[in-house]
Amino acid sequence: AQTVTQSQPEMSVQEAETVTLSCTYDTSESNYYLFWYKQPPSRQMILVIRQEAYKQQNATENRFSVNFQKAAKSFSLKISDSQLGDTAMYFCAFGGTSGSRLTFGEGTQLTVNP
Amino acid sequence: DADVTQTPRNRITKTGKRIMLECSQTKGHDRMYWYRQDPGLGLRLIYYSFDVKDINKGEISDGYSVSRQAQAKFSLSLESAIPNQTALYFCATSDLTGEERETQYFGPGTRLLVL
Repeated sequence: AQTVTQSQPEMSVQEAETVTLSCTYDTSESNYYLFWYKQPPSRQMILVIRQEAYKQQNATENRFSVNFQKAAKSFSLKISDSQLGDTAMYFCAFGGTSGSRLTFGEGTQLTVNP
Repeated sequence: DADVTQTPRNRITKTGKRIMLECSQTKGHDRMYWYRQDPGLGLRLIYYSFDVKDINKGEISDGYSVSRQAQAKFSLSLESAIPNQTALYFCATSDLTGEERETQYFGPGTRLLVL
């Protein structure tokens, strides 16, 4: 079974600065998908970024980028130029190729301070 | 309009009552999922369906049942609600193929309170 661990329950950052959220996972599969989801106070689960394990290039989406280290089973999220609207709970998630489920970490509450 | 919709958005019910949560999607995806989220925790899978004739249990299916009425509709039922089923419930969809394969997209959630 896969496990996903987010070791930072809470983090804070000043507006316009950069912050990195950590995620590690454990799996015996060779091909899989990794995701970061954002859950703001509205409680909606919003996809932030997606990484396919067979792709060596790190995914980027505007101010969001990942550092994917397959051998270390690490998948961190970097948010550049942090904005007040980035304040949310961030979940790291693992998806296998069977499409049966996502395994979620416990979440990191990020607060962006003005 | 939202691609994945859930009704109701909020529901209060009493112990022992039967309730149904509904999910509809316009993304054209074959796969649909029901998750629950408890305070301070990530999401856990209740049931999933890969097509209209395919229903599978997730990690916490006890006390729940589902129905896939059409490709676009997937409903979750609590046959006899109990207080520890108080949670936030999410529906999600995904596709097997394409650039965004295996990526799950979530509805807005249904907050359920069982008294």
